[in-house]
Amino acid sequence: DAGVIQSPRHEVTEMGQEVTLRCKPISGHNSLFWYRQTMMRGLELLIYFNNNVPIDDSGMPEDRFSAKMPNASFSTLKIQPSEPRDSAVYFCASSSSGRSTDTQYFGPGTRLTVL
Amino acid sequence: QKEVEQNSGPLSVPEGAIASLNCTYSDRGSQSFFWYRQYSGKSPELIMFIYSNGDKEDGRFTAQLNKASQYVSLLIRDSQPSDSATYLCALGGGTSYGKLTFGQGTILTVHP
Repeated sequence: DAGVIQSPRHEVTEMGQEVTLRCKPISGHNSLFWYRQTMMRGLELLIYFNNNVPIDDSGMPEDRFSAKMPNASFSTLKIQPSEPRDSAVYFCASSSSGRSTDTQYFGPGTRLTVL
Repeated sequence: QKEVEQNSGPLSVPEGAIASLNCTYSDRGSQSFFWYRQYSGKSPELIMFIYSNGDKEDGRFTAQLNKASQYVSLLIRDSQPSDSATYLCALGGGTSYGKLTFGQGTILTVHP
């Protein structure tokens, strides 16, 4: 199994630019999670999907952030416009069904730097 | 009070010793408890999960859960330098159905 795939692995952009992060969950997994990790705030859940439907987006910091899951094998997290405080590592994770007892498997992450 | 509390450390133990990592939580409805390990610059990876009160052992790792005290711990026996990492406690269930709430993590350093 290829595991969770994320792209790009590193992204450097300038303030005000649009950034799109991509994620391919493990095949057969029905739930997908987007996290952000910083030294100050740790690992924070931004949004998660179950069967391609957003279930909880209460962690999305503001309207500049949006996420989509058009099909079971692809999701995007978009930041528009980006700001320096968005600099962080963004992880995508997937689990088989989204139950609280399911293990979440993490992708390698995208390290975002906004100048 | 934070939902999940971990001592940020760093916790330093000599090689071969037992490392004890602790986590307390506030949501009494939490049903599942996970320990993830994260090496510097890498993504979190699952070490163990535990659902029931008591101990669960897997090789050198033992997870302990006490729901009455809202406490979960991870013991690492015969610690190795390769165990040096950040250990994240995560909770699922209760009011957070379908998602995990992570603690800030404890940095563990095992020195030769």
